[in-house]
Amino acid sequence: ILNVEQSPQSLHVQEGDSTNFTCSFPSSNFYALHWYRWETAKSPEALFVMTLNGDEKKKGRISATLNTKEGYSYLYIKGSQPEDSATYLCAFKATDSWGKLQFGAGTQVVVTP
Amino acid sequence: ETGVTQSPTHLIKTRGQQVTLRCSSQSGHNTVSWYQQALGQGPQFIFQYYREEENGRGNFPPRFSGLQFPNYSSELNVNALELDDSALYLCASSLGSGQETQYFGPGTRLLVL
Repeated sequence: ILNVEQSPQSLHVQEGDSTNFTCSFPSSNFYALHWYRWETAKSPEALFVMTLNGDEKKKGRISATLNTKEGYSYLYIKGSQPEDSATYLCAFKATDSWGKLQFGAGTQVVVTP
Repeated sequence: ETGVTQSPTHLIKTRGQQVTLRCSSQSGHNTVSWYQQALGQGPQFIFQYYREEENGRGNFPPRFSGLQFPNYSSELNVNALELDDSALYLCASSLGSGQETQYFGPGTRLLVL
């Protein structure tokens, strides 16, 4: 994989259900993987910066895992709430890229009551 | 909110014109990165400024230029506007250009007619 890819592009979740989605990135020259949550008409909000293979991060009901050897990260939302509705972006940073973040196109999550 | 502000929020220009977008970084941050987000895509890295010097550049033509001031605020200038420059322009500030989290502003929506 040369680019950052996120799947699915969108998903609809019932309130209370858990869900997860994927970010795939190049497995070479890995430096860091960032996750952002972006609600409509707001600034993207930083969720996690992940740097080590096997890393697991958690913030409230949201957690993420990282596999740098195979080039993927999963983001999980447990017990989804309507306020979790947003676009979730991942961004890959390579070792030779200065401050450049290479973003995926995002997964749009809609949580319905 | 992140403390990163951008102005203006919206802008309409015509082909061939020039535009200047502004970004005030979060207090204490010395690095500003600029991204362009076209419809349906993830943000694309334009360039980064670290302590008033350009620290890296993405795949954008020279008519995209920038400045960083001693207070670390920044400008993005685009000359000879083209229709394809219509996009959301995001700036992000950080403390350094390593693993540090980049904190985003709400963006400037540019429409080129």
